[in-house]
Amino acid sequence: DAGVTQSPTHLIKTRGQHVTLRCSPISGHKSVSWYQQVLGQGPQFIFQYYEKEERGRGNFPDRFSARQFPNYSSELNVNALLLGDSALYLCASSSPSGALTNEKLFFGSGTQLSVL
Amino acid sequence: AQSVTQPDIHITVSEGASLELRCNYSYGATPYLFWYVQSPGQGLQLLLKYFSGDTLVQGIKGFEAEFKRSQSSFNLRKPSVHWSDAAEYFCAVGARGSGNQFYFGTGTSLTVIP
Repeated sequence: DAGVTQSPTHLIKTRGQHVTLRCSPISGHKSVSWYQQVLGQGPQFIFQYYEKEERGRGNFPDRFSARQFPNYSSELNVNALLLGDSALYLCASSSPSGALTNEKLFFGSGTQLSVL
Repeated sequence: AQSVTQPDIHITVSEGASLELRCNYSYGATPYLFWYVQSPGQGLQLLLKYFSGDTLVQGIKGFEAEFKRSQSSFNLRKPSVHWSDAAEYFCAVGARGSGNQFYFGTGTSLTVIP
């Protein structure tokens, strides 16, 4: 079985542009979470989606948005990119037994976003 | 508010030596606690987790961690380190009932020398 897959693996954008990052969860997983990991820091929670609904949001500006599709894949969108948005963006899916039980997250390898 | 502190930014150990990585958390009740490992350019892999019960938990790759409520700690240990253990290690706390919102520490970078 495939793990959590993210695309693209690397991305270079310039300030003010828009970016869309994509994530496919493990088959059968209905919850997807997004994390931002700035170099030298631990991951920071951005969003959680479960059954296509937003179930949690971290302390990020409205420039960050996400959505989940009927097949449980997800997109993270960031508008008006800033230099500080340069980071590794990680997607994680959780086990199908219960998205709200904080059981176990399976992480993808991430998308490395560089904003110039 | 939940938070995690990993006081050691970087640790160097000799191959075959024992290892202990420290983690302190702040949370109002019994938290969910996790240790993840991250190799360069990779995502996070779960080493072990604590939800309840036995305070000494065993994980993959020979790692274990002990939950100490009185010290608000969840330190990671390994009796004999292998060169392949060199990586970044993250401790995380998850609030019960908050879905998948985990709070991660800033990580400890482990270097293993021959």
